[in-house]
Amino acid sequence: EPEVTQTPSHQVTQMGQEVILRCVPISNHLYFYWYRQILGQKVEFLVSFYNNEISEKSEIFDDQFSVERPDGSNFTLKIRSTKLEDSAMYFCASSNGGTSSFTDTQYFGPGTRLTVL
Amino acid sequence: EDQVTQSPEALRLQEGESSSLNCSYTVSGLRGLFWYRQDPGKGPEFLFTLYSAGEEKEKERLKATLTKKESFLHITAPKPEDSATYLCAVQAASSYKLIFGSGTRLLVRP
Repeated sequence: EPEVTQTPSHQVTQMGQEVILRCVPISNHLYFYWYRQILGQKVEFLVSFYNNEISEKSEIFDDQFSVERPDGSNFTLKIRSTKLEDSAMYFCASSNGGTSSFTDTQYFGPGTRLTVL
Repeated sequence: EDQVTQSPEALRLQEGESSSLNCSYTVSGLRGLFWYRQDPGKGPEFLFTLYSAGEEKEKERLKATLTKKESFLHITAPKPEDSATYLCAVQAASSYKLIFGSGTRLLVRP
């Protein structure tokens, strides 16, 4: 069964350093997402990406964040200068997008645990 | 503002003791309501999508129902392996992002 994969599973970095989190979405999906979950809190939407551009982003997704689909399979989230409060689980998700009448399911990856020291 | 509230926060059941989890939502036009299961340290695992009031879906011991204001996840005769956090999320008509609730942590004791 196709699944979303993410690497690394755990990333430890120093405050102010740049990190890149990588995701391989399900191969025939067209929509890609990043969410994050701070320990003990809700899963929060960061950004959605379609047709090689950002389609929607949250207030959290400021200029320190960027996303890219560098090739036909990978989808990345870059944090330029990490802060302590960026420590969280970061989940990638993908979907087909559905139609105007029916939405399509977002399938999540296993997550990358980011620890900022 | 679109939001999702889940209750209870935590639920302890004996194996075989049926119960229900609640998800109340307010959204400006519902595109879909989703139930996910999340094990500790893992990503959300898809369970159900519900689109309109009155709709029901079943999978093994789980049954999800939807009204105009809330959804229920009914667990019939649960087993210890059903222990997990169950997440409810909504998607508004104007957006593809999922808005999650805080989840219900379910513990099923043998």
